[in-house]
Amino acid sequence: KQEVTQIPAALSVPEGENLVLNCSFTDSAIYNLQWFRQDPGKGLTSLLLIQSSQREQTSGRLNASLDKSSGRSTLYIAASQPGDSATYLCAGGSNFGNEKLTFGTGTRLTIIP
Amino acid sequence: DGGITQSPKYLFRKEGQNVTLSCEQNLNHDAMYWYRQDPGQGLRLIYYSQIVNDFQKGDIAEGYSVSREKKESFPLTVTSAQKNPTAFYLCASSASTLAGVYNEQFFGPGTRLTVL
Repeated sequence: KQEVTQIPAALSVPEGENLVLNCSFTDSAIYNLQWFRQDPGKGLTSLLLIQSSQREQTSGRLNASLDKSSGRSTLYIAASQPGDSATYLCAGGSNFGNEKLTFGTGTRLTIIP
Repeated sequence: DGGITQSPKYLFRKEGQNVTLSCEQNLNHDAMYWYRQDPGQGLRLIYYSQIVNDFQKGDIAEGYSVSREKKESFPLTVTSAQKNPTAFYLCASSASTLAGVYNEQFFGPGTRLTVL
């Protein structure tokens, strides 16, 4: 059974710093990985999707990588801003179709002005 | 303006009542999903539907029921059999669940259900 872990559970960094969020998964047969952002009391916003054949994806100041052999994905945020404060969730999908997303518990990120 | 809507935003249920949470999407997506989110836990899949008039149980389907009569709509009923229904419920959709093809999941704003 796929398990997804995100450590640390919370992270605070000063504004302007670059930072990396980590996501680990137990099953290397992971087919894809999706990163989400969640603001308090809100739904999830999709940030980046890495397909099985890809190693990374970029969108603006965000870059996500996927290393299936080591069971890790990272989300890199460049030049952090207070508006980046949120909980970041990663979710992995199996190769049985995308209905089987397994979510991590998230990292709550606070950017200090 | 394409997206997923959920209603109501807040819902209160008395013991023994069934309640229905609404989820509508205008993205023309084939697949729809219901997740439950509890503090300190990851999202857990309740039910999903890959096509109209078909749906499958997820990891925690007991005490819940769904229907998929229209492509745009996937309502979730929380029955009195669900012993601990207080949670944040999220609906999602994606373009397709064709095996071997992954499509990005998009989420609605959520419904917070509280049992009184």
